[in-house]
Amino acid sequence: DAMVIQNPRYQVTQFGKPVTLSCSQTLNHNVMYWYQQKSSQAPKLLFHYYDKDFNNEADTPDNFQSRRPNTSFCFLDIRSPGLGDAAMYLCATSRVGGGGYTFGSGTRLTVV
Amino acid sequence: AQKVTQAQTEISVVEKEDVTLDCVYETRDTTYYLFWYKQPPSGELVFLIRRNSFDEQNEISGRYSWNFQKSTSSFNFTITASQVVDSAVYFCALSEASGSARQLTFGSGTQLTVLP
Repeated sequence: DAMVIQNPRYQVTQFGKPVTLSCSQTLNHNVMYWYQQKSSQAPKLLFHYYDKDFNNEADTPDNFQSRRPNTSFCFLDIRSPGLGDAAMYLCATSRVGGGGYTFGSGTRLTVV
Repeated sequence: AQKVTQAQTEISVVEKEDVTLDCVYETRDTTYYLFWYKQPPSGELVFLIRRNSFDEQNEISGRYSWNFQKSTSSFNFTITASQVVDSAVYFCALSEASGSARQLTFGSGTQLTVLP
């Protein structure tokens, strides 16, 4: 089945140690998004890629970066994780001209 | 700017009761999409419904039904005969219908607890 896959499902990282979360899709969607969801809050968009064009939200901290080496993969890099970066990170895709989004199952990041 | 308001932070019902989750939205777009997602404790977002702003017909899917009223900018969600497995956080969301990349604007969510 076509889907969006996030690995790993759970990630524990040390304070200040760089960490990378990955997302892959088999839907061939143009757009890939990264959302951050902290406990008891709504998901918040960090950035998205439209094909290779990167679009950063104005309030996304510089500590967060992203890479999209090809259509299928998108990575979220946190350069120096702080305790406040502990959250669920959700990857989503959408197709230009279409109305729907497909979400991955998320990566729950813990910072110790 | 788009905004979605879910005024009910938490709702508790007893199994088999009906429950309605409210959603009110604001947008300047003439065409847009509205969504409902379910988020169980495991954390994934489960898609429930997408509604185009042109389509004001109410929809029923099993025990779920949705009431879209453009005049009041509301898109309410009713679960009939609730079950314990319905316990989750429910998010209402909004996106514009045009444009290449359409950000989803989420409400703050409603935590639904169905007691046995």
